[in-house]
Amino acid sequence: GAGVSQSPRYKVTKRGQDVALRCDPISGHVSLYWYRQALGQGPEFLTYFNYEAQQDKSGLPNDRFSAERPEGSISTLTIQRTEQRDSAMYRCASSLGWGRGRYNEQFFGPGTRLTVL
Amino acid sequence: DQQVKQNSPSLSVQEGRISILNCDYTNSMFDYFLWYKKYPAEGPTFLISISSIKDKNEDGRFTVFLNKSAKHLSLHIVPSQPGDSAVYFCAASADVIGSARQLTFGSGTQLTVLP
Repeated sequence: GAGVSQSPRYKVTKRGQDVALRCDPISGHVSLYWYRQALGQGPEFLTYFNYEAQQDKSGLPNDRFSAERPEGSISTLTIQRTEQRDSAMYRCASSLGWGRGRYNEQFFGPGTRLTVL
Repeated sequence: DQQVKQNSPSLSVQEGRISILNCDYTNSMFDYFLWYKKYPAEGPTFLISISSIKDKNEDGRFTVFLNKSAKHLSLHIVPSQPGDSAVYFCAASADVIGSARQLTFGSGTQLTVLP
């Protein structure tokens, strides 16, 4: 596609339910990133992939959060047993690669607004 | 700890004047800096970047200045236009060999350009 797409755009769930957020990166982009953005703050890094390999998951808050990118394209961020504090905007970004300069320019999707009741 | 700080949550400027958005960072490992612009209901979009080997990068009406000794960068928009009204995020990354560059963002500055 022309840009990074994310689905759903909005998700309302009850506490304790599992949710899966999807990211479809720009075609040909090697690197894919997940960020979480609280209201009034900038995006905060969660995890990233080069191709299908998860390279860094140091930003995931706890083991209820997991992500996968099995074929090196679409990625899913899963939150198990959601809690109210998980409510945030979840953003996905992709980049051509991981070199210096423009290779690392990250293109962001519109985000998924998650609300946990 | 906030490694990238934007201390001004908002800024209002008259159309045609200069807008100056500021950003400070604490991590001396950061060597690449970016500015993103965000309109409501959209994701952040890349605006301009600068490598730590430079102290200035210009792209049309947008210029980014980097002062490494002060760990400070700024974005200048001249002349400002109403369409520039948006939230501007400063971001930084560090070179990690063989690894992608996660971005560390500031909290953003809402720029309003008044007609």
